Amino acid sequence: DAGVIQSPRHEVTEMGQEVTLRCKPISGHDYLFWYRQTMMRGLELLIYFNNNVPIDDSGMPEDRFSAKMPNASFSTLKIQPSEPRDSAVYFCASSFLRVGSGANVLTFGAGSRLTVL
Amino acid sequence: SQKIEQNSEALNIQEGKTATLTCNYTNYSPAYLQWYRQDPGRGPVFLLLIRENEKEKRKERLKVTFDTTLKQSLFHITASQPADSATYLCALVRDNDMRFGAGTRLTVKP
Repeated sequence: DAGVIQSPRHEVTEMGQEVTLRCKPISGHDYLFWYRQTMMRGLELLIYFNNNVPIDDSGMPEDRFSAKMPNASFSTLKIQPSEPRDSAVYFCASSFLRVGSGANVLTFGAGSRLTVL
Repeated sequence: SQKIEQNSEALNIQEGKTATLTCNYTNYSPAYLQWYRQDPGRGPVFLLLIRENEKEKRKERLKVTFDTTLKQSLFHITASQPADSATYLCALVRDNDMRFGAGTRLTVKP
């Protein structure tokens, strides 16, 4: 398996533009997570899905952020309009709940580095 | 509010020594705790998991302890090597709520 695949790896855009980040989880994983990482705030959970259904989006900073998972192999995180304070590395991670363990172990993608000018 | 603190932003040690990283938390009751390694420009990679009813877990040169009374986990790397240099993150988990610490950047000098 190629692991969790994210695109683009780097995105530079101007304030006010729409940004769409994409994620392909590992086949067979039924959980998908979106995280944001900055030096100031570390790794923050934005939203996670289970079987393509959003379960907890309480970490989404504001209405400018939206996430979708139309099928088991694809998810998007959209920011519209983007602002300079959205500059960060956005990670997608997927997992499956291990039978008998109750433990979710995440496999992260390489991240999408977003710079909003 | 919930808080996760990892000892110092950076830790420098000599090759061959044991590195000990600390993860403290407040206002949280994790069912289990995980440790991840993150290299520059890459996503975190899972290393070890320990449950709330376990005191200690080992994997090769890695050892994790979990004290729910002290609300603390210690992560040890024995016989450290320069290749162990990375940022190490602890993650507290209950149900599917997973919260990460800010990480400790470990540098192992030859």
